[in-house]
Amino acid sequence: GENVEQHPSTLSVQEGDSAVIKCTYSDSASNYFPWYKQELGKGPQLIIDIRSNVGEKKDQRIAVTLNKTAKHFSLHITETQPEDSAVYFCAALRDTGGGNKLTFGTGTQLKVEL
Amino acid sequence: NAGVTQTPKFQVLKTGQSMTLQCAQDMNHEYMSWYRQDPGMGLRLIHYSVGAGITDQGEVPNGYNVSRSTTEDFPLRLLSAAPSQTSVYFCASSYRGAHGYTFGSGTRLTVV
Repeated sequence: GENVEQHPSTLSVQEGDSAVIKCTYSDSASNYFPWYKQELGKGPQLIIDIRSNVGEKKDQRIAVTLNKTAKHFSLHITETQPEDSAVYFCAALRDTGGGNKLTFGTGTQLKVEL
Repeated sequence: NAGVTQTPKFQVLKTGQSMTLQCAQDMNHEYMSWYRQDPGMGLRLIHYSVGAGITDQGEVPNGYNVSRSTTEDFPLRLLSAAPSQTSVYFCASSYRGAHGYTFGSGTRLTVV
């Protein structure tokens, strides 16, 4: 089955700096890669995603890049703000047409310091 | 449009007791899943469903049962609770195909 590794497990940045979280996946057939943000006491919330036919996607201060050859993808947050502090999860999904399974990384605790 | 609704939010069980975690979605999503979240282990898939009447096992299915009699509801049953099932449980739903899942707010379960 799919295995997703995520690094780093904790990340501390100064407000205004950039933050980068990296993930690798094992199943070359995975074709969809979402990123989730989880605030304390809440469920994960989808913040951005990328499909296997795209190399990069941006949404305001957030961007995701995908390298299919190397089987890794990254989340980039620019101009970080205190409200960006949360746990971030990457995930990989293989859509088989008859069902799909979303496999998560182990999470990155991001702390944005004033 | 409430999204994904999970009940209860908190529950304490004694070892050996049974209970059902409820999950309902009002987005007409075909796919629904149950995950458990434990410290340092991310979210692990317990069971999933691709439509009414169709369920399958995920990564950690032992000790849990599910059924999907309607599109909207996907309850998770613990037949005989064990301390190892102490966790936070999330239900999620999605449209068919490669789409993002919408998560509920979770049920924090403690088994003593």
